[in-house]
Amino acid sequence: EAGVTQFPSHSVIEKGQTVTLRCDPISGHDNLYWYRRVMGKEIKFLLHFVKESKQDESGMPNNRFLAERTGGTYSTLKVQPAELEDSGVYFCASSLTRQGAGEQYFGPGTRLTVT
Amino acid sequence: AQTVTQSQPEMSVQEAETVTLSCTYDTSESDYYLFWYKQPPSRQMILVIRQEAYKQQNATENRFSVNFQKAAKSFSLKISDSQLGDAAMYFCAYRNHWKEGANSKLTFGKGITLSVRP
Repeated sequence: EAGVTQFPSHSVIEKGQTVTLRCDPISGHDNLYWYRRVMGKEIKFLLHFVKESKQDESGMPNNRFLAERTGGTYSTLKVQPAELEDSGVYFCASSLTRQGAGEQYFGPGTRLTVT
Repeated sequence: AQTVTQSQPEMSVQEAETVTLSCTYDTSESDYYLFWYKQPPSRQMILVIRQEAYKQQNATENRFSVNFQKAAKSFSLKISDSQLGDAAMYFCAYRNHWKEGANSKLTFGKGITLSVRP
């Protein structure tokens, strides 16, 4: 069974440009999470989808970030326009259920560098 | 809000020895889950071990075990017979027990980089 995949693995863009990150969860996982780790800091929650609905977007930093999950399958996270402080590693995770331990399986991350 | 603290940024252990990684957390909830995740240099983060707060028995997974002290809000990871493949960054994480209206996000500590000396 394929794990969580993310594309691209690295992205270098200039301030003011737009970048779109993609996450493909494990097949059948209704729950999809986005997290971000800024250099030297904690991994921070961004948002949570249940199927195509945003269950919790309390971690989204501002309106320059837009996440979608059309059809409840893969998800995209768009940053427009990108700022220097958006640099970091963006992780996606998926889980089958929220109940019980609800283990979250992580993708390899996308390293975003804004110059 | 819940917080997770990993105060040691780095640790080193001799191969075949035992090492303990510390983690403390803060929550007002009585039922929750705690996790240790491992992120090797290849960057894919994997779950090492989890603990359910209502279970008093400490979780174990082969060479990995935890010391869960609920009253002290402490959750340390012990790695026995350390191997070169254990070298990685380790993250301690907290999650609420799921109930209607509650979030299911993970709250992470800053992580600790573990190196293993041959």
